[in-house]
Amino acid sequence: DAKTTQPPSMDCAEGRAANLPCNHSTISGNEYVYWYRQIHSQGPQYIIHGLKNNETNEMASLIITEDRKSSTLILPHATLRDTAVYYCIVRVASWGGKLIFGQGTELSVKP
Amino acid sequence: DTAVSQTPKYLVTQMGNDKSIKCEQNLGHDTMYWYKQDSKKFLKIMFSYNNKELIINETVPNRFSPKSPDKAHLNLHINSLELGDSAVYFCASSQDVSGPYEQYFGPGTRLTVT
Repeated sequence: DAKTTQPPSMDCAEGRAANLPCNHSTISGNEYVYWYRQIHSQGPQYIIHGLKNNETNEMASLIITEDRKSSTLILPHATLRDTAVYYCIVRVASWGGKLIFGQGTELSVKP
Repeated sequence: DTAVSQTPKYLVTQMGNDKSIKCEQNLGHDTMYWYKQDSKKFLKIMFSYNNKELIINETVPNRFSPKSPDKAHLNLHINSLELGDSAVYFCASSQDVSGPYEQYFGPGTRLTVT
């Protein structure tokens, strides 16, 4: 499984878009990009995933570069409840494919 | 209804004891997992079961023994507890092990060994 690199922390003003970057330069063609978050003391929560195309759901948007070596998670209108650690993970969607959590990005949304 | 539930939420015990943590999912998923999050907040997979069959066993000491009585349950039994076992243990489930399926996590069990 490829490794990912994320900034350790970021701040965002409430109501503004939060753009969380992730570098996965060694990603393989069959590896998906997943984003999860962990709000303090809770279990991780799935946000979104993608392979090549940009994806959007009710929580966020995922922008994957054409070479797939990096991606950005966008929370369009961050709220205080979005304060959490965000994990970018690449995973082979096959038998034995594992979620390998790194250190993530600690996002603080401030009023 | 809670999708993935764990009991107990907190567990305080002494070194050398044997304890179990239970996990249940009501999502109809085929695959279940156990993760450990240590004091430094690193979250690491321990085991994965698919249809009651062990798929992943990540160099976990033999004192840890998962048991899957059916697809909806994956319990974790720990023998001879050690101080280093203190952590938060998360159970998770996904629709299947092969496919781009997301995992749903339980609320965690905070184990403290004294």
